Amino acid sequence: ETGVTQTPRHLVMGMTNKKSLKCEQHLGHNAMYWYKQSAKKPLELMFVYNFKEQTENNSVPSRFSPECPNSSHLFLHLHTLQPEDSALYLCASSQSLAGGDNEQFFGPGTRLTVL
Amino acid sequence: GDSVTQMEGPVTLSEEACLTINCTYTATGYPSLFWYVQYPGEGLQLLLKATKADDKGSNKGFEATYRKETTSFHLEKGSVQVSDSAVYFCALSRAGGTSYGKLTFGQGTILTVHP
Repeated sequence: ETGVTQTPRHLVMGMTNKKSLKCEQHLGHNAMYWYKQSAKKPLELMFVYNFKEQTENNSVPSRFSPECPNSSHLFLHLHTLQPEDSALYLCASSQSLAGGDNEQFFGPGTRLTVL
Repeated sequence: GDSVTQMEGPVTLSEEACLTINCTYTATGYPSLFWYVQYPGEGLQLLLKATKADDKGSNKGFEATYRKETTSFHLEKGSVQVSDSAVYFCALSRAGGTSYGKLTFGQGTILTVHP
């Protein structure tokens, strides 16, 4: 595997389910991100991790719970979601948070549908 | 706060037509500027970037020049191909402070190129 991978690619869940999204980066990066991409809205940054430490939580509801066990893996745990949470969830990584020239590498995303 | 504004889409062109997608930004200091592209069913890929005023980023026939006086970073291509059909995102990143390493995206512009 190369780059940034995400699993599953598609997920359908009920509002009472608990599921997790997984992201893995094979680039040796130290920073990882979760974004939400909804139709007709700009990309929304959700969480940022740098060297496994959370550095930003962009006012995300507690029904989304991130976990970063090491610099290569990032999870997003989901529980009691709402239909408006249906979206494409993108994971990204970058070398670090240092500097403004911070190229991020994105995974293909998980298409989430909440029924 | 930082913001990025892109021209409204969708943009529909015939093959070999000229393309311009406008992007303007609001940010303090000297941000780095990026264009990302998202092909159908995929995550975002960096298309080009510029890190200081008057820099020109270029890749795959696309160009954009960092214009600080007009706070703009318009994307241009002289002759588009069907394979250029995708969603294009303008973004900025600032170094320092609480926004370090964080990308702020525009809303995206859908480009469709017909044979």
